[in-house]
Amino acid sequence: DAGVTQSPTHLIKTRGQQVTLRCSPKSGHDTVSWYQQALGQGPQFIFQYYEEEERQRGNFPDRFSGHQFPNYSSELNVNALLLGDSALYLCASRVVAAPGYEQYFGPGTRLTVT
Amino acid sequence: EDQVTQSPEALRLQEGESSSLNCSYTVSGLRGLFWYRQDPGKGPEFLFTLYSAGEEKEKERLKATLTKKESFLHITAPKPEDSATYLCAFNQAGTALIFGKGTTLSVSS
Repeated sequence: DAGVTQSPTHLIKTRGQQVTLRCSPKSGHDTVSWYQQALGQGPQFIFQYYEEEERQRGNFPDRFSGHQFPNYSSELNVNALLLGDSALYLCASRVVAAPGYEQYFGPGTRLTVT
Repeated sequence: EDQVTQSPEALRLQEGESSSLNCSYTVSGLRGLFWYRQDPGKGPEFLFTLYSAGEEKEKERLKATLTKKESFLHITAPKPEDSATYLCAFNQAGTALIFGKGTTLSVSS
């Protein structure tokens, strides 16, 4: 049973550039959430996608956008990168119809902005 | 404001020395209290979900408990491989998880 996968593993970008991160959910899952984790902090919720629509959004600027595809995979796009965007970006998936609210995380993408 | 606070920030134990990690929360309408384990540079690994006060769940050397204001993660006779950061989170208004900063546990042999 394949777990949540993310690509790339590491990424280095320059301030002002744009980046796209990718996520494939756990087999059978239909909902994808993205989180940002700065060093020494807990993950912070960015947004959630279900049925190809953004369903919930955290306190992040419009520079952060996303997309979900018909196969449930998802992308996170960040425009006009700032140094403060350097973090571990985590994707989590779940089944919306499941009785619990457990989310399963991928290994993350480490983004460094220089 | 809904929030979660974990203590201590860091904990050092000798192998076999049992202890507890604390997670205090203030949230209206708790839908679930979650514990995750995170190894350095990796994604969080799901451990437990607790839904109501008095509930307990166990997995190997770990036991999670829940009251109306706190959750505890009890570690019995820890081993070096239990060293990790343990994250507590609650579910808020949908399925967004709100995390604490975590407790970094180090177990030495």
